[in-house]
Amino acid sequence: KNQVEQSPQSLIILEGKNCTLQCNYTVSPFSNLRWYKQDTGRGPVSLTIMTFSENTKSNGRYTATLDADTKQSSLHITASQLSDSASYICVVSAGGSYIPTFGRGTSLIVHP
Amino acid sequence: DTAVSQTPKYLVTQMGNDKSIKCEQNLGHDTMYWYKQDSKKFLKIMFSYNNKELIINETVPNRFSPKSPDKAHLNLHINSLELGDSAVYFCASSQGLAGRETQYFGPGTRLLVL
Repeated sequence: KNQVEQSPQSLIILEGKNCTLQCNYTVSPFSNLRWYKQDTGRGPVSLTIMTFSENTKSNGRYTATLDADTKQSSLHITASQLSDSASYICVVSAGGSYIPTFGRGTSLIVHP
Repeated sequence: DTAVSQTPKYLVTQMGNDKSIKCEQNLGHDTMYWYKQDSKKFLKIMFSYNNKELIINETVPNRFSPKSPDKAHLNLHINSLELGDSAVYFCASSQGLAGRETQYFGPGTRLLVL
């Protein structure tokens, strides 16, 4: 069964600090992995997308890594801002069907 | 100039009623989706249409019927609403299949069944 597990479930950090969110998956065959940011009351917004051959992808202060061998990904946020407070969702798509499997997300709160 | 729009934003209704949610995208994409996000914020794909053709139909009760009159629209009709249907429903679109292309999500429709 395809699954995506994220940790931690929630995280509280101070403004300006860095943090790293984790994603482990069992989706097979693997097609790609995405990280989304979902602000409260809004739809998810894509941050990064990585295929099998990519092991890092940046989008401003967001940097995602992928280890396809261990089936792990991380999202690193640098110099956090109050606007980074949101839920971060890891999504892995299976090859062939391209059906995406969503993780439950990590809820990040950035305090001033 | 909203990319993916949904109506209504909020929907409160009684159990047993029939309701529809509409979705429109002005991005010129050929693929559209419906997702359900439950109270625990878990997103799950329900349907996907590519060029008006149904390509993904996950385990969803047949009370839910999607309709795509053209590539820019994907509506969701729900018959005989049940308490468990209460959730946020998101429409999304992409150019090409979800697995390979970036999806753009609408603002969501918050459905509450009483």
